[in-house]
Amino acid sequence: AQSVTQLGSHVSVSEGALVLLRCNYSSSVPPYLFWYVQYPNQGLQLLLKYTSAATLVKGINGFEAEFKKSETSFHLTKPSAHMSDAAEYFCAVRGVQAGGFKTIFGAGTRLFVKA
Amino acid sequence: DTGVSQNPRHKITKRGQNVTFRCDPISEHNRLYWYRQTLGQGPEFLTYFQNEAQLEKSRLLSDRFSAERPKGSFSTLEIQRTEQGDSAMYLCASSPIQGTQSGANVLTFGAGSRLTVL
Repeated sequence: AQSVTQLGSHVSVSEGALVLLRCNYSSSVPPYLFWYVQYPNQGLQLLLKYTSAATLVKGINGFEAEFKKSETSFHLTKPSAHMSDAAEYFCAVRGVQAGGFKTIFGAGTRLFVKA
Repeated sequence: DTGVSQNPRHKITKRGQNVTFRCDPISEHNRLYWYRQTLGQGPEFLTYFQNEAQLEKSRLLSDRFSAERPKGSFSTLEIQRTEQGDSAMYLCASSPIQGTQSGANVLTFGAGSRLTVL
């Protein structure tokens, strides 16, 4: 079965600082991995996805994530935080084996950006 | 296309009452998912449909919960005899069938239906 662990329920950075949100996954087969973002009072939207092509994935708003199979990680980064990045971020895994069409989400990391 | 639409956005009910939520997915998406999200948690999978067939239900879903997608278009999620523990945001998402369209495997979410059980 697939699972996702996000390290840190809250992360606080200063505007202009590096953003690093950690995600580790568990999957018995090569997974599809995603980061979704949820802004206040809005639905979840896709930030980026990994589907076995390039291991470094670029997403919207300057975010990127690197798939590291040896570490079973898919950490999300952004070189310079902006106030508008304040939101909740969810890492998710989707299995590709039989019965694995559901996407499993981590508990989320809330990002705070200080002026 | 206007995206995934959910109604009502907010529902306040008394314990023991029945509630129903509706989801209208993106029209060309064959798969439709229901999730539940509580404060401080990620979306928790409840069930999903491919066209009108309900292919998987979470073991966490009690018998008080039922979902339908009768014509393979919109879906309803009904909760009978609501309990205070049912208070949550109920999220609907849809996706195209894997491998047939761009964006396959990607979920498009609605804004959610917030349930408060008093």
